[in-house]
Amino acid sequence: EVQLVESGGGLVQPGRSLRLSCAASGFTFDDYAMHWVRQAPGKGLEWVSGITWNSGSIGYADSVKGRFTISRDNAKNSLYLQMNSLRAEDTALYYCAKDMGTHWGQGTLVTVSS
Amino acid sequence: QSVLTQPPSVSAAPGQKVTISCSGSSSNIGNNYVSWYQQLPGTAPKLLIYDNNKRPSGIPDRFSGSKSGTSATLGITGLQTGDEADYYCGTWDSSLSAGGVFGGGTKLTVL
Repeated sequence: EVQLVESGGGLVQPGRSLRLSCAASGFTFDDYAMHWVRQAPGKGLEWVSGITWNSGSIGYADSVKGRFTISRDNAKNSLYLQMNSLRAEDTALYYCAKDMGTHWGQGTLVTVSS
Repeated sequence: QSVLTQPPSVSAAPGQKVTISCSGSSSNIGNNYVSWYQQLPGTAPKLLIYDNNKRPSGIPDRFSGSKSGTSATLGITGLQTGDEADYYCGTWDSSLSAGGVFGGGTKLTVL
């Protein structure tokens, strides 16, 4: 069974940093691209960032470009999102998603507030 | 403002059929496969349709997808109260140059 478990969310002040993790199991992690997708309270889905199986291609939404960094460790079956210079508008539930959204984690909540 | 355009809400009676539209452009839907997701209240999105019209195992054939040009449509027949959810269309650029884009979501109410 595919499982994606996000962690690392929490309450953080504007301008600070946070690192999210996603632990994957139940599939061959290094066969698939992975993505971060977020959902602000009461809002729709927003793609944040994606990374191919070998980290050879990485993409970011314009809203996070230059502030967020996606990475993966295939040996640890883990996906990461380093978030710097956080803003109030980054407040959202952050989901880890496999491939073309075939599977999603339950999300980790990031709240940016002073 | 979402890249893909969906109606904010649709409604129909139990047992009836409903369709949800998703409009994009040649840079997204026009040149990529479309997926559809169901998000029940308080839960993570779940894949309903991928590659425009394919259903993952376990998804009933009451759910169907189609694509024409720069638009896509999700169809749900035999509506059940348990189908009340938000539905999102999405398309993924495999090169990651544009990444993923989603519609704003459609709230389905089963009257």
